[in-house]
Order: sequence, then structure tokens, then C-alpha cells
Amino acid sequence: KQEVTQIPAALSVPEGENLVLNCSFTDSAIYNLQWFRQDPGKGLTSLLLIQSSQREQTSGRLNASLDKSSGRSTLYIAASQPGDSATYLCAVSPPYNQGGKLIFGQGTELSVKP
Amino acid sequence: EAQVTQNPRYLITVTGKKLTVTCSQNMNHEYMSWYRQDPGLGLRQIYYSMNVEVTDKGDVPEGYKVSRKEKRNFPLILESPSPNQTSLYFCASSFLPGRAANEQFFGPGTRLTVL
Repeated sequence: KQEVTQIPAALSVPEGENLVLNCSFTDSAIYNLQWFRQDPGKGLTSLLLIQSSQREQTSGRLNASLDKSSGRSTLYIAASQPGDSATYLCAVSPPYNQGGKLIFGQGTELSVKP
Repeated sequence: EAQVTQNPRYLITVTGKKLTVTCSQNMNHEYMSWYRQDPGLGLRQIYYSMNVEVTDKGDVPEGYKVSRKEKRNFPLILESPSPNQTSLYFCASSFLPGRAANEQFFGPGTRLTVL
């Protein structure tokens, strides 16, 4: 059974710091991995999708890496800003016969202080 | 703008009063699904649909119904809501699962409280 873990559960950093969020998964049989952002009580905004054959994806100040063989992904945020404060969730897409659902981690709650 | 919309965004109701949460997408996606999010339990899939008139149970389907009469719409029906269905609900859509480039898009969420 696929399990997704995110460490740390919460992180507080000063503005301007570069930071790394971690995501690990137990089964390397995935189609892709998505990183999402969730503001309190709000929806999920897709940040980056990394296909299983890819090693990394970049969007602005965000860079996500994927090491499928070791079951790990990282989300790197450069020059963090208070507006980056949110919960970040990673999710993997398991094989087709599991109903297409995403398996989510519990999230990392990020607070960027001015 | 490509998006998934949900209505209502917030709902307070009482036990036993039937309600429907609507979900619509404008991306011509075949696949749609519903999740609920609860503290400490994360996101769990309720139901999913691979196409019109094709629906199936997810991990926590008890107490819910769905229908898929049109490709763009996937309503979630609570025929007799109970307090344990108080949760934050998300609708999601994508092209058919099974492709590495397939990205899932989520709606803004519906905060449901059942008294």
C-alpha cells in the first residue's frame, strides 16, 4: 500500500531564506508526483507536476525534484516571502487500477516571517 | 480560464436534510472525483467517475451518492447528512488516469457543517 510522508509537519523561517520541503513515498510505481499549495480553509492549487521519467521541474522560485528509485521528492523555494506562507502537499499518482486517486501526504505548514 | 468550480462554497445544514454540492469543469476532462479533507486524516477519495454514466466508489463512499449525466458536471449528493460528514470537500478533474503528464485540477472546496 502506497504511503506518502512529509517532513517536517511545520516549518517557520525568516523572509528571504531558501528552504526545502521533503516528501517520501513507499512504492516507486507512480505515474507522477504533484506539489500543491493550500491556504487555510481554501482549495488546492497545483504548483508543479513531475512525471515519473523526469528528475525535476521548475516554476519561478520553485524547483521540485524527483528520485523515484529512493521514493523521494523535494520542493525547493528560493528567497521565501511572507506570501509563501501556506500548507504544501505532495501527492503521487498510483497505477491506473486504483481509481485514479491521488495519494496525499499530510502536508508541511510553512510560515515565512517578515 | 480553465477551472473547476464548486457550489456552494460554505454550507451549514441540519441532520437528515438532503443536500447537493455541485461540481463543474470546463476542460473537457473525462475523469472527475470527490475528496474530503479532515484534520489528521488528510484527503480521502469518496467517489470517482471515468466518464459519463461511469462512476465508482473510492475509499470512503458511505453516506454519499454521485451522478455523471454530463461530462462537465459531477454533483455530490448527501441524502441524509450526519454530523460525521462535516468536512471540507474538494472536487477534482483530469484527463483519463494512467498517463505521466496527467495533472489533476482541484476546485476551491466546499466547507460543510452538519448540525
